[in-house]
Amino acid sequence: SQTIHQWPATLVQPVGSPLSLECTVEGTSNPNLYWYRQAAGRGLQLLFYSIGIDQISSEVPQNLSASRPQDRQFILSSKKLLLSDSGFYLCAWSVQGSSYNSPLHFGNGTRLTVT
Amino acid sequence: GDSVTQMEGPVTLSEEAFLTINCTYTATGYPSLFWYVQYPGEGLQLLLKATKADDKGSNKGFEATYRKETTSFHLEKGSVQVSDSAVYFCALSGRRSGGSNYKLTFGKGTLLTVNP
Repeated sequence: SQTIHQWPATLVQPVGSPLSLECTVEGTSNPNLYWYRQAAGRGLQLLFYSIGIDQISSEVPQNLSASRPQDRQFILSSKKLLLSDSGFYLCAWSVQGSSYNSPLHFGNGTRLTVT
Repeated sequence: GDSVTQMEGPVTLSEEAFLTINCTYTATGYPSLFWYVQYPGEGLQLLLKATKADDKGSNKGFEATYRKETTSFHLEKGSVQVSDSAVYFCALSGRRSGGSNYKLTFGKGTLLTVNP
């Protein structure tokens, strides 16, 4: 069966420090991968989307970047965190080439607090 | 573009009460519709889905019917339990322009608290 792992679960970082959040998927090949951010009262915002290694689309301009060095690994990074980067970050995957009937499968998220 | 509007919470109910969480959408074409649930401190889990008009999705006592004429996908449960306390997200999936992969658009979520 497929599983998705996300870490760390919680993170407290000072403003201006770097960030690296990691997500890995097991039990499937060549998945679509996603990074979402959930801010209080604002629902889920799609940040990045990837259909393959080194194929990444950014949905909104921001202080963050994403990379996919391996087929089932997706990394969210920042060189210098801002206070506004605080939030709950969710990684998700879906079957490559899936139809719009196919759901997303989410990790348990990372709670990031920038102080 | 695509959008989802769901009722603002929080919603507080007593155990065994009837639940309705309203969801309406705007989309081109014929999207698929989903309800996701997020329990405290966890990621989102798929609760149910419907892929065409008049389809009814159901799971764990929850139901929602895809109403194209009213562009709605309201979530209902006849008798809620304390364990149903969570945040519920309505979402739609429509085709991305120029590609064959699909993007999920979420509502803002509705917090449900069920008291014993």
